[in-house]
Amino acid sequence: EVQLLESGGDLIQPGGSLRLSCAASGFTFSSSPMIWARQAPGEGLEWVSAINADGSATYYVASVKGRFTISRDNSMNALYLQMNSLRADDTAIYYCAKLTSSFSTHWGQGTLVTVSS
Amino acid sequence: QPVLTQSSSASASLGSSVKLTCSLSSGHTGYIIAWHQQQPGKAPRYLMRLEGSGTYNKGSGIPDRFSGSSSGPDRYLTISNLQSEDEADYYCETWDSNARVFGGGTKLTVL
Repeated sequence: EVQLLESGGDLIQPGGSLRLSCAASGFTFSSSPMIWARQAPGEGLEWVSAINADGSATYYVASVKGRFTISRDNSMNALYLQMNSLRADDTAIYYCAKLTSSFSTHWGQGTLVTVSS
Repeated sequence: QPVLTQSSSASASLGSSVKLTCSLSSGHTGYIIAWHQQQPGKAPRYLMRLEGSGTYNKGSGIPDRFSGSSSGPDRYLTISNLQSEDEADYYCETWDSNARVFGGGTKLTVL
């Protein structure tokens, strides 16, 4: 059974940094592209970033480019999102998801990031 | 980059059927999409992959009550024999080159 477990969410001040983790199990992680998506309070889903299976290609939504970095450790079955220069509008639940045939077929339960002074 | 347009809300009675729509923007009308369900307070759940031909492939454990269809730029999710647990937000998803897009979501109320 595919399992994705996010962690690292916290209350952080504007301008601060945070690293989210996503622990994967139940599938061949090293063969699976992955994404991060987020959901601000009361809002819809927003794609944040994607990474291919071996980590050689990464993609970002314009609003986080230059501030967020996606990475993965295939030896640890782990996905990461390093978030710097955090802003109030980054407040959201952050989900990791596994891509299968280019779509988000398995989701984690999410981790809450709150950016506030 | 494609844009996915969804109605903000829909409602239907318990035991009836409802058809939700996700519309692809001009120039992207042949794109494949996915449908996701998000019940209140829960993470999204993948429902199906839906092609422009109307062919769809559901995720594991998705009930037969859920089906997909397509017409031109529109992708539909039909839920038959509505149950109370179907009350949720429904999102469509697609991707293009280096970007991924979600629709704004439809909040389904089961009356």
